[in-house]
Amino acid sequence: DAGITQSPRHKVTETGTPVTLRCHQTENHRYMYWYRQDPGHGLRLIHYSYGVKDTDKGEVSDGYSVSRSKTEDFLLTLESATSSQTSVYFCAISESSPGQNSPLHFGNGTRLTVT
Amino acid sequence: AQRVTQPEKLLSVFKGAPVELKCNYSYSGSPELFWYVQYSRQRLQLLLRHISRESIKGFTADLNKGETSFHLKKPFAQEEDSAMYYCALSGQGGKLIFGQGTELSVKP
Repeated sequence: DAGITQSPRHKVTETGTPVTLRCHQTENHRYMYWYRQDPGHGLRLIHYSYGVKDTDKGEVSDGYSVSRSKTEDFLLTLESATSSQTSVYFCAISESSPGQNSPLHFGNGTRLTVT
Repeated sequence: AQRVTQPEKLLSVFKGAPVELKCNYSYSGSPELFWYVQYSRQRLQLLLRHISRESIKGFTADLNKGETSFHLKKPFAQEEDSAMYYCALSGQGGKLIFGQGTELSVKP
């Protein structure tokens, strides 16, 4: 398995509180992604990064922000958590722009519950 | 706009039966398509990619540009094939867009 660690693995938080999820990689890959997985919606891209301090929005970026100050770390922040953000969050990495020679490698996921 | 559609949420077949998981896409350029799989208690992982035209674990997928489809097929399903399958499209801007996923259940 690619060296990807997500923390925490599980979190329960209250509506309105800030939450930060961390993705750490040891592969020195340039691209990092945050997806959320929900029944009926599959995997939806929240934000992604194509280098240190270079990030862009995905399909469902509202209510989320990200930061990448080092190659190995990609942080996802929910500024004020809402119940609709209850989900399983996956981090993924790829060596270059995702294509035939650069598949995504996924972390184990973080299960977030907002009460 | 880039879009991937997997019309079946759940597909249930018996062991030894043929299986086809449907995937349709919408993309104006030349698409790169993939199938990813998530087995129980394992990480999501790449199963196969269209350009390599390979067969992985007996699965194949052919890109049909006329029908904008990339269906995943296996002639004889096995119990260990039970998993969640996602079709994905790599398009503009370094993004990989996934479909809604299809859960495959292979019964003994």
